[in-house]
Amino acid sequence: NAGVMQNPRHLVRRRGQEARLRCSPMKGHSHVYWYRQLPEEGLKFMVYLQKENIIDESGMPKERFSAEFPKEGPSILRIQQVVRGDSAAYFCASSAQKLGSADTQYFGPGTRLTVL
Amino acid sequence: AQSVTQPDIHITVSEGASLELRCNYSYGATPYLFWYVQSPGQGLQLLLKYFSGDTLVQGIKGFEAEFKRSQSSFNLRKPSVHWSDAAEYFCAVVLYNTDKLIFGTGTRLQVFP
Repeated sequence: NAGVMQNPRHLVRRRGQEARLRCSPMKGHSHVYWYRQLPEEGLKFMVYLQKENIIDESGMPKERFSAEFPKEGPSILRIQQVVRGDSAAYFCASSAQKLGSADTQYFGPGTRLTVL
Repeated sequence: AQSVTQPDIHITVSEGASLELRCNYSYGATPYLFWYVQSPGQGLQLLLKYFSGDTLVQGIKGFEAEFKRSQSSFNLRKPSVHWSDAAEYFCAVVLYNTDKLIFGTGTRLQVFP
């Protein structure tokens, strides 16, 4: 059973370009979470999605960032008009049930975004 | 303020020595508690978790953690550290009836031969 898959593993963008990060959850998992890890810091929650629904986006920056988890295909985290401060590792996690029901999140290997 | 605190930013131990990594939380109710490990350039691997019941939890790689309600702590321990344990360790919580992990700032463990 494959774990959480993320691609690309490394992404380099110039300021002003768009970044698209993909996440395929573990088989059987319908809950997806995105976290951001800035250099030398812990992970910060960004957004929680179920299929076709955004459940909690309280950690998402108000502008330029969006996320989706369509009925078919991976979850996408999209960053428009990237700036240097967006350089970070972005981790996706998935779970079979809601975390609040005492389930566990499993993390992907992350996408390391570098903005030049 | 509500938070997860890992007081030790960096710890260095000799291989074979015992290890304790501290984690405290400041929330009114007992959250669900987790320890994750992150090797350089890698994702996070779950070491162990506490939801309820026995307050001493056994995890993978010989790690254990003890939940102490009176101290709002969930410290991670290992009796004998191996060089391969060198990594960053994160304590995290999920508050009851929420659906996101709140992480501490991490403790970087260095192991000397």
